[in-house]
Amino acid sequence: DAKTTQPPSMDCAEGRAANLPCNHSTISGNEYVYWYRQIHSQGPQYIIHGLKNNETNEMASLIITEDRKSSTLILPHATLRDTAVYYCIACLTQGAQKLVFGQGTRLTINP
Amino acid sequence: DAGVIQSPRHEVTEMGQEVTLRCKPISGHNSLFWYRQTMMRGLELLIYFNNNVPIDDSGMPEDRFSAKMPNASFSTLKIQPSEPRDSAVYFCASSLQGSGNTIYFGEGSWLTVV
Repeated sequence: DAKTTQPPSMDCAEGRAANLPCNHSTISGNEYVYWYRQIHSQGPQYIIHGLKNNETNEMASLIITEDRKSSTLILPHATLRDTAVYYCIACLTQGAQKLVFGQGTRLTINP
Repeated sequence: DAGVIQSPRHEVTEMGQEVTLRCKPISGHNSLFWYRQTMMRGLELLIYFNNNVPIDDSGMPEDRFSAKMPNASFSTLKIQPSEPRDSAVYFCASSLQGSGNTIYFGEGSWLTVV
C-alpha cells in the first residue's frame, strides 16, 4: 500500500469548510484513497473513498488531483462534533483489504 | 444493525493473568480484523480473518497473543500471560469483501494490565 502524508494538526472555525490535505505520491493505479475519522474514545468511522473522480456523500467531499498524487477531504460546514483525528489511507479494494493507519490529522473545530 | 459488538468494554487485570477479548462482527460480513491502539504506536493491525480463516497474522506481537474465529459470528483475542505493556485499546472490525472495503469498527475494549 502507498504511504500517505498528512499534517499532524489543523484548526477550523465552526461553520466554515474544513479542508484536510493528504499526499500519496506513490499511489498505484488500482489503489483507492480512503478517509476515516476517529472521535475521542470511539472506534474509527468510515467517511468516504475514491479512485479517480471526486466523490461526495452526506458526510464529506473528496477531491483527488488529476495525477492522483494528492487529495483533499472537505467537510463543508464543520461543527464541534467534527473534532477528531482524520486518517487518509491508500489501499486496494480487493485481495488483502486491510487498512494500515498512519498518524492522521488531528482536526480541532473551534467555536 | 447492531454494529460490531465487543466485550468487555473495559478490563483491568493483573500481570500474568489471561485476558480474553470477544467480538461479534456485523451479520453477513466475511472479514474480521483485530487492531490495537496505543499512544506510542497508534492503530496497528494485529490479525485479520477472511471467511473465518486467518489470512495475515504478521501484526501479532508475540506468542502470548492468539486469535480465533470458530464461526462467522464470533471471534476472540487472547493474551496469556498478560503484561503491563499490553495495556491498550483493542478494536475489532468487520467488512464484506467486495463491497468497497468499508470497514466498520466496534467501540473497543480498553485493557489495563497492572
